[in-house]
Amino acid sequence: GAVVSQHPSRVICKSGTSVKIECRSLDFQATTMFWYRQFPKQSLMLMATSNEGSKATYEQGVEKDKFLINHASLTLSTLTVTSAHPEDSSFYICSATRGDRAEAFFGQGTRLTVV
Amino acid sequence: DAKTTQPNSMESNEEEPVHLPCNHSTISGTDYIHWYRQLPSQGPEYVIHGLTSNVNNRMASLAIAEDRKSSTLILHRATLRDAAVYYCILRDGRGSQGNLIFGKGTKLSVKP
Repeated sequence: GAVVSQHPSRVICKSGTSVKIECRSLDFQATTMFWYRQFPKQSLMLMATSNEGSKATYEQGVEKDKFLINHASLTLSTLTVTSAHPEDSSFYICSATRGDRAEAFFGQGTRLTVV
Repeated sequence: DAKTTQPNSMESNEEEPVHLPCNHSTISGTDYIHWYRQLPSQGPEYVIHGLTSNVNNRMASLAIAEDRKSSTLILHRATLRDAAVYYCILRDGRGSQGNLIFGKGTKLSVKP
């Protein structure tokens, strides 16, 4: 199989602080990982594409200085929400692809609540 | 990216088959048809994908129209655990690293 693990599953933070979310491919090497955000009752919105060893590619309207993405190894990508505000509260989901498989594998998601 | 159109919601009875339609009239020759589903408060889960021929796996079947402008995901016997939002997505097969662009999907409700 191909497993993607996301941590933490839930986090509550104070407004103005930063939060880091980890996304790991447990049993395969993922050259590309993707970060999505999902607001209640809405679909997933792609935020950025993360390639190992290079800068992430952000979708239009996503602030790269606010959502820092690091993909330091073939099994780990991190998303840091800097200076979080209540409007950043959302469900953040990562996915990874394998070169030999057509489908994408998703993490279980991280519920971020900024108070 | 080529767009897909799905009904907002569907209902099914437990243990009955479910046919989830998807229209993709602007599909290109290199687009694969992917289906994912998302259970409440979870990340999406891969269901099935295909290019031209019908496909079967342990989760579902995928029936693809001859002109490829539509497809149908078939759950042979719906269970309560199949209640989820089902997304039909086109993905260019020329690159295995292409991202997935999610539409609104179909929310499937399963009644006992």
